[in-house]
Amino acid sequence: DGGITQSPKYLFRKEGQNVTLSCEQNLNHDAMYWYRQDPGQGLRLIYYSQIVNDFQKGDIAEGYSVSREKKESFPLTVTSAQKNPTAFYLCASSIPGQGLNIQYFGAGTRLSVL
Amino acid sequence: DAKTTQPPSMDCAEGRAANLPCNHSTISGNEYVYWYRQIHSQGPQYIIHGLKNNETNEMASLIITEDRKSSTLILPHATLRDTAVYYCIVRSNQGGKLIFGQGTELSVKP
Repeated sequence: DGGITQSPKYLFRKEGQNVTLSCEQNLNHDAMYWYRQDPGQGLRLIYYSQIVNDFQKGDIAEGYSVSREKKESFPLTVTSAQKNPTAFYLCASSIPGQGLNIQYFGAGTRLSVL
Repeated sequence: DAKTTQPPSMDCAEGRAANLPCNHSTISGNEYVYWYRQIHSQGPQYIIHGLKNNETNEMASLIITEDRKSSTLILPHATLRDTAVYYCIVRSNQGGKLIFGQGTELSVKP
């Protein structure tokens, strides 16, 4: 089945540790996105990528890093510089430039700090 | 991007129509109205979008006022599985970020 797969579903981070969240899609979409969601809040954009080997900062990029070496993959690293990483992280993909902005989301990764 | 205003919560009886309003008084001519929903602890799901005409698909109907300053998402026969947070988003037809506000928490009750 086509879709977006995020792993792991739950992740725990120790103080000073970098952790990487995986996002893979087989929808052949060019654009991919990472959002953060805190309890009772809407989604906030961390990073997005419109095409392979290119990405832009979103509204809350500090303490995060990404790479886009393959069309199918857009991993997010939560670095030790992110002082409040506990949140629900959502990855999405879409087809840009087609007159629509329909994004398809994965099931999310819930990150907690030990 | 135009800002949207939605009620924080609504209740609906199972089997009845759920009508979720959204105000977007600053919408500009090239901006679409999108609706997504998020069931608890899951990723958001696209529902429907429109520019100025009313739209219907297998999930819902979207009614946009003639001046485009407000819209209503209609779930014709709500079920318990429709309990979710519903987000109304206004965005141009270019690629890029979606701005998710607080949304409306819809509770469908038996």
